[in-house]
Amino acid sequence: DAMVIQNPRYQVTQFGKPVTLSCSQTLNHNVMYWYQQKSSQAPKLLFHYYDKDFNNEADTPDNFQSRRPNTSFCFLDIRSPGLGDAAMYLCATSDPGIPDNEQFFGPGTRLTVL
Amino acid sequence: EDQVTQSPEALRLQEGESSSLNCSYTVSGLRGLFWYRQDPGKGPEFLFTLYSAGEEKEKERLKATLTKKESFLHITAPKPEDSATYLCAVRSNSNSGYALNFGKGTSLLVTP
Repeated sequence: DAMVIQNPRYQVTQFGKPVTLSCSQTLNHNVMYWYQQKSSQAPKLLFHYYDKDFNNEADTPDNFQSRRPNTSFCFLDIRSPGLGDAAMYLCATSDPGIPDNEQFFGPGTRLTVL
Repeated sequence: EDQVTQSPEALRLQEGESSSLNCSYTVSGLRGLFWYRQDPGKGPEFLFTLYSAGEEKEKERLKATLTKKESFLHITAPKPEDSATYLCAVRSNSNSGYALNFGKGTSLLVTP
């Protein structure tokens, strides 16, 4: 089945220790997104790529970076995680060419910062 | 700036007890209102997109409607497996690219 895959599902890191979260897709969609979702909160968009064009949300901290080496893969790098960065990180994809252009989400990576 | 407000925050229903969830929005040029379902520990799952006032869409026990200021998700004769958080999101002219602006969701619990 075509899908959005996130690895790892659970990640524990130490305060200030860099961490990388991975997302891959078999849908061949142009657009890939990274969201941060804290407990009982709305998913908050961090940034998205349209192909290789990077779009950063204005309030995304500099501590968060992203890479998209090819259509299938996208990475979220947190350079110096703080306790406030503990959250679920959701990757999503979409294809502007389909009628609703809905976003397809992966299962998420839950990040714990000790 | 877009505002999306969902109510109630939490809702408990008995199996078979129909109800509605509300999503109020303030946007600059709506380009779509989306409903998603999210199960605990999982990513959101797409349900519906609505584009213009008066539009309605149905899927099994769910029916979504749209006015110029709000959307409703009607749940008819719910079953325990409908228990989840239901998220509303908007895409508007003020969003960057194809981004969605989500509400906090309504947590629905359906008891047998």
